[in-house]
Amino acid sequence: SQQGEEDPQALSIQEGENATMNCSYKTSINNLQWYRQNSGRGLVHLILIRSNEREKHSGRLRVTLDTSKKSSSLLITASRAADTASYFCATPRTGDNNDMRFGAGTRLTVKP
Amino acid sequence: KAGVTQTPRYLIKTRGQQVTLSCSPISGHRSVSWYQQTPGQGLQFLFEYFSETQRNKGNFPGRFSGRQFSNSRSEMNVSTLELGDSALYLCASSSGTGIHEQFFGPGTRLTVL
Repeated sequence: SQQGEEDPQALSIQEGENATMNCSYKTSINNLQWYRQNSGRGLVHLILIRSNEREKHSGRLRVTLDTSKKSSSLLITASRAADTASYFCATPRTGDNNDMRFGAGTRLTVKP
Repeated sequence: KAGVTQTPRYLIKTRGQQVTLSCSPISGHRSVSWYQQTPGQGLQFLFEYFSETQRNKGNFPGRFSGRQFSNSRSEMNVSTLELGDSALYLCASSSGTGIHEQFFGPGTRLTVL
């Protein structure tokens, strides 16, 4: 199975609501990243959180990391229709970020 | 700064043919990684090149190969195409090794008939 398993697999919410996505991983990591992908396009980097950080913010995004539980969460507050996309967490396979292992992703749909 | 560019954006080939995809990283970036994305297997790491040397390799058959030129541009080649090679191929560049953000290109959509 893949390192970085996101749940839920799909999430549908109304505009203005918050969306929370979770990611679990299996091995020790030095950092974890979240990416967004609009349908069939390239990935857009959202946030990188290091293993010595517990929480990080970027605009409407909040990422938490719990290394003891090997899990991370991505919270999008006040969601917009433009947030509709797939969200992936990624962890290094061999120690650096040029070689990453991705989860299956969470498909988020935000209804206007 | 221009982003990561990939050419071609779309490609249709038949089984048994070979294909070459190209990736131009962000200016100044020396690392280029390649990923394959399919509905069944998701995003999987193919290989990474740094300063013209392959640093890491994923679990793909030898039909998948790559190279990097002195200007950091990278190509990947797939020989003897199979139907299962149909996928979105993404390349990503970063400025170095270690904990760095990777910047992804728009991808090349390969369809094998």
